[in-house]
Amino acid sequence: AQTVTQSQPEMSVQEAETVTLSCTYDTSESNYYLFWYKQPPSRQMILVIRQEAYKQQNATENRFSVNFQKAAKSFSLKISDSQLGDTAMYFCAFMILWYDMRFGAGTRLTVKP
Amino acid sequence: NAGVMQNPRHLVRRRGQEARLRCSPMKGHSHVYWYRQLPEEGLKFMVYLQKENIIDESGMPKERFSAEFPKEGPSILRIQQVVRGDSAAYFCASSQDGNYGYTFGSGTRLTVV
Repeated sequence: AQTVTQSQPEMSVQEAETVTLSCTYDTSESNYYLFWYKQPPSRQMILVIRQEAYKQQNATENRFSVNFQKAAKSFSLKISDSQLGDTAMYFCAFMILWYDMRFGAGTRLTVKP
Repeated sequence: NAGVMQNPRHLVRRRGQEARLRCSPMKGHSHVYWYRQLPEEGLKFMVYLQKENIIDESGMPKERFSAEFPKEGPSILRIQQVVRGDSAAYFCASSQDGNYGYTFGSGTRLTVV
């Protein structure tokens, strides 16, 4: 079964500091895609970053970067220089079939001033 | 580009009524996906459609739920004889050609009273 686990239901960080959100997944496939989505109170699902499993280089998007450990099936998200606007639910997601995205239960991140 | 448009944003139905949720994909996108999000959970895949075709409905309950994506007009997710357990946020996403990391709409929050 393809599952995604986010072990941190809630996290908080001071503004301007760095925070890491954890995600592990389970699959027997060798080729797949991983994503982090942000869901602010507006409920909009916003793609933060994505990673192809066949790429060893970790993806980076401005203040957001991932630590992809394929052997460990781990895909953590690092947010640097946290801003108040980063406050949101963050979902890790995993996709083999390109239309069936499996989501974790989410981590609620609060950035404190 | 208006993005993926879902309406209504909020929908309240009494038990036993029908709920119709609409999704207009991004311009040029012919692939539509529906996901359901229960409170404090991640999104769960329901159905994948292309124009006039249901490609995979493995995530959709067998009874009371149906989806369509006609040649003209929006995709419709229809829930007949709603029950309290149907209360959730329903998200639609679209993509151009099945590429990964598709674009989500803002969701419809269905409340069954």
